Amino acid sequence: EADIYQTPRYLVIGTGKKITLECSQTMGHDKMYWYQQDPGMELHLIHYSYGVNSTEKGDLSSESTVSRIRTEHFPLTLESARPSHTSQYLCASSEYGSGANEQFFGPGTRLTVL
Amino acid sequence: GENVEQHPSTLSVQEGDSAVIKCTYSDSASNYFPWYKQELGKRPQLIIDIRSNVGEKKDQRIAVTLNKTAKHFSLHITETQPEDSAVYFCAAIPKGRAGSYQLTFGKGTKLSVIP
Repeated sequence: EADIYQTPRYLVIGTGKKITLECSQTMGHDKMYWYQQDPGMELHLIHYSYGVNSTEKGDLSSESTVSRIRTEHFPLTLESARPSHTSQYLCASSEYGSGANEQFFGPGTRLTVL
Repeated sequence: GENVEQHPSTLSVQEGDSAVIKCTYSDSASNYFPWYKQELGKRPQLIIDIRSNVGEKKDQRIAVTLNKTAKHFSLHITETQPEDSAVYFCAAIPKGRAGSYQLTFGKGTKLSVIP
């Protein structure tokens, strides 16, 4: 079944650790996004990609980086995690197309930095 | 850029009553307005959307209306049920920016349906 997958679902780590949040989609979509969201609160776009080798920063300044080497894969990396990075991270994807299209969200990764 | 304001931030209704959530947008070029529902601990999911060439759209108990002149759109839920309790997000996207289909979300409305 076509879907968006995120791993891990929950992560607790210490300050200063390097982490990578994985996101994969089998939707066949070109566009992918990363949002940061405190539970039930506003969605903040932190990165997006139009396709392979395309990455852009979103509206919210973030110390994370992303890569898009394969269409279906859009990992997010924090080189040195801090307590201020504690949040939920949602990956999403949508068709490129000629018009705006529905974004499909993954289940999210809940990150806690101690 | 686009700015989307959403009201109210919290809304409590009795089961069976109607709920209305309103959003305004700033970019007159915006042409796509989706609504997402996020249940506690779950991912946001699209429940209804409307494009700027349509004034109203219905899907069973939910409807969305769009007033392009006033630049606002609203979500209407009739005969509310406890399972409608969730956070609802409106969003807007401008037209014409090649490849630039970034949704701008409102800050969300927490709807509680009281049995």
